Amino acid sequence: QQPVQSPQAVILREGEDAVINCSSSKALYSVHWYRQKHGEAPVFLMILLKGGEQKGHDKISASFNEKKQQSSLYLTASQLSYSGTYFCGTVPKTSYDKVIFGPGTSLSVIP
Amino acid sequence: ETGVTQSPTHLIKTRGQQVTLRCSSQSGHNTVSWYQQALGQGPQFIFQYYREEENGRGNFPPRFSGLQFPNYSSELNVNALELDDSALYLCASSLVGWTGIAGNTIYFGEGSWLTVV
Repeated sequence: QQPVQSPQAVILREGEDAVINCSSSKALYSVHWYRQKHGEAPVFLMILLKGGEQKGHDKISASFNEKKQQSSLYLTASQLSYSGTYFCGTVPKTSYDKVIFGPGTSLSVIP
Repeated sequence: ETGVTQSPTHLIKTRGQQVTLRCSSQSGHNTVSWYQQALGQGPQFIFQYYREEENGRGNFPPRFSGLQFPNYSSELNVNALELDDSALYLCASSLVGWTGIAGNTIYFGEGSWLTVV
């Protein structure tokens, strides 16, 4: 039931772009994205509710393909502050009372 | 800061003991979820409370139990501690309506680090 994330880890130089993918075997109500820095709590990035919806702020955006039960997080012109572990959380249509998190993607941005 | 506070921040317990972790949710939030995060893994859903009732549970044994109080604060209790219970325990609060948590942001506290020896 846990969503699958890819890649597991990625290293970027400042200014480069990255895509993190999240895939579920279940039909989804929504997808949540969070970033967690080492030793800190996960911090909310965005929620995608409808199939095809794209959201974003600053240079981080995401899309949600409801039919494929997939979401992607796009980080453009990466900054050092983007480093951390990114988790997608899925809300399945069969149990819309819980957010199920993936295993995470570790992103390191180097100068 | 998310307005979600947890206590204690760190604790060490012996196998077989019991532990209570506490969470004060963000003002006005009626829903509290608890997650277990082992090192290097994603948060695993334990259970959720909505208006003092458990309304969702993950794959955790009954020795994991919880409470939500009228002021929406919450406790997580774990009995008969095992070594594998060592993890970061995260509390998350949100304001949820009848449609469930799908479209609602959940705000995490800083967590309680539990070590079982």
